[in-house]
Amino acid sequence: SQTIHQWPATLVQPVGSPLSLECTVEGTSNPNLYWYRQAAGRGLQLLFYSVGIGQISSEVPQNLSASRPQDRQFILSSKKLLLSDSGFYLCAWRQIYGYTFGSGTRLTVV
Amino acid sequence: AQSVTQLDSHVSVSEGTPVLLRCNYSSSYSPSLFWYVQHPNKGLQLLLKYTSAATLVKGINGFEAEFKKSETSFHLTKPSAHMSDAAEYFCVPLYSSASKIIFGSGTRLSIRP
Repeated sequence: SQTIHQWPATLVQPVGSPLSLECTVEGTSNPNLYWYRQAAGRGLQLLFYSVGIGQISSEVPQNLSASRPQDRQFILSSKKLLLSDSGFYLCAWRQIYGYTFGSGTRLTVV
Repeated sequence: AQSVTQLDSHVSVSEGTPVLLRCNYSSSYSPSLFWYVQHPNKGLQLLLKYTSAATLVKGINGFEAEFKKSETSFHLTKPSAHMSDAAEYFCVPLYSSASKIIFGSGTRLSIRP
């Protein structure tokens, strides 16, 4: 079956610490994958998307980076978190007939 | 340009009354269209989708939407609101030529007791 996994569900990190959020999909190959951020009271902001291994498109200059080390794995990272990185992070997978979303990660930077 | 507009950022209705969340798309051709619901700190759950079959689409939790090409609209409706319907709703088109997911700005639905 086709599924998407995103973890962790919640994360509290101190300012200046590194970040790694992982998203993996199952049951498909060469998926289009996306990372979105949703700040409090705001819409979904596209951060990165990837159409294949090693192919990353960045939408917004920021303190974050993304990597696609394997076909079905998409990682969101930061070397040093800022307070402004707090938010709800969502991984998404585009399929021919629609989209599937991960369950999200609530990141709080303290 | 390919885009979608959710006309209301916030809608508030009383429990038991009808719900209308509006969405208009902008395109030279008809895309597939989806409505997703997001409860606080949760991912997006698919409510319903239009994929060029029947123009009136029924989804989960009593929601439905009607695709109207003449109005370039895909409004979401429900005859009777329930407290559990309080959430954020997103209208999302699927364009075969677009590599990015295009989201509407979202509509926050509040339900008054």
